[in-house]
Amino acid sequence: GENVEQHPSTLSVQEGDSAVIKCTYSDSASNYFPWYKQELGKGPQLIIDIRSNVGEKKDQRIAVTLNKTAKHFSLHITETQPEDSAVYFCAASMSGNTPLVFGKGTRLSVIA
Amino acid sequence: DAGVIQSPRHEVTEMGQEVTLRCKPISGHNSLFWYRQTMMRGLELLIYFNNNVPIDDSGMPEDRFSAKMPNASFSTLKIQPSEPRDSAVYFCASSFQGAYNEQFFGPGTRLTVL
Repeated sequence: GENVEQHPSTLSVQEGDSAVIKCTYSDSASNYFPWYKQELGKGPQLIIDIRSNVGEKKDQRIAVTLNKTAKHFSLHITETQPEDSAVYFCAASMSGNTPLVFGKGTRLSVIA
Repeated sequence: DAGVIQSPRHEVTEMGQEVTLRCKPISGHNSLFWYRQTMMRGLELLIYFNNNVPIDDSGMPEDRFSAKMPNASFSTLKIQPSEPRDSAVYFCASSFQGAYNEQFFGPGTRLTVL
């Protein structure tokens, strides 16, 4: 089955700097890669996703890149703000309604 | 849009008691997923339904766990009898069956078994 590895497990950055979180996956059949943000006491919230037919997607300060050959994808947050502090999860699945397989999460702290 | 609704938000019970967690998916969604989140194991899929039919329950840890989806707008996850190691946050998520499954999560139920 699919296995998703996520690094780093914790990340501290100064406000205004960029943050990068990386994930690798094992199943070459996976073609959907969402990223979730989880704040304390809340459920994971979908913030951006990428599908296998594109290599990069951007939404304001966040972007995601996908390298299908190497089977890795990354989340980039630019101009970080204190409200970006949260736990971020990557995930992977095949198309259709197959379940998501999640990475272990990255705790991002943005220091003002 | 009310989003995925879960109840109760918090549950404290004693070992051996029955626990029932409830979920109302987003209207129009026809896939429903139950996840468990712990510090040690992260987010784990327990079971999922398509069109109210259980598709994969291989993540259900033991026979003490059962889940039902009697209709498109309601699902339950039951633990009987509960044990302290079942303490975790349980999330329900729903999606619309299509080319890609954008899953939307509920706020979770924090279960503590004493």
